[in-house]
Amino acid sequence: ETGVTQSPTHLIKTRGQQVTLRCSSQSGHNTVSWYQQALGQGPQFIFQYYREEENGRGNFPPRFSGLQFPNYSSELNVNALELDDSALYLCASSLAGGELFFGEGSRLTVL
Amino acid sequence: GQNIDQPTEMTATEGAIVQINCTYQTSGFNGLFWYQQHAGEAPTFLSYNVLDGLEEKGRFSSFLSRSKGYSYLLLKELQMKDSASYLCAVRDRASGGSYIPTFGRGTSLIVHP
Repeated sequence: ETGVTQSPTHLIKTRGQQVTLRCSSQSGHNTVSWYQQALGQGPQFIFQYYREEENGRGNFPPRFSGLQFPNYSSELNVNALELDDSALYLCASSLAGGELFFGEGSRLTVL
Repeated sequence: GQNIDQPTEMTATEGAIVQINCTYQTSGFNGLFWYQQHAGEAPTFLSYNVLDGLEEKGRFSSFLSRSKGYSYLLLKELQMKDSASYLCAVRDRASGGSYIPTFGRGTSLIVHP
């Protein structure tokens, strides 16, 4: 039990729609990272939030955006969904860049 | 940027020893992690190396050579439940001072009787 929870666990959207994924970090963790994992691939870094500020971003377009709230929970928003956005989206919390604790992920299917 | 390379797939026999290699190129190395991921589940932490040498934790050991950009994960006394994907992740100091772990594509280990 890592303490990191994500919702929803599964969802289906159509191309062009928008999606919001949510993550509650482990108690005491102030850093949240989001990763996209396609089937058979390793997790790809999207962005990281520390104390409500984005402090690192991977090679993802601006239609991928996020928020971190005062209780350190976080959201990932994706606009104008494309078929290639179909993937498992993993949230991981940590304490100031230490070991990552992952949630079970949100599996997004874009039709 | 970073370049992390690990084999795509390995097979081994129950009870045997297997070594999974990871090579990397990075500009601001700040540690290397190994994670285990069973199919359909979240990755779970196995080990962390920041200094050269071997870290042992039960049946699992991890080795790091920073000068060679090389790490390996050693699994002893393999069990069927060790069948999983093993992810090598390098933590790099990014602009702005944050630490960002970047993952390789993972090595799928199949343990057979």
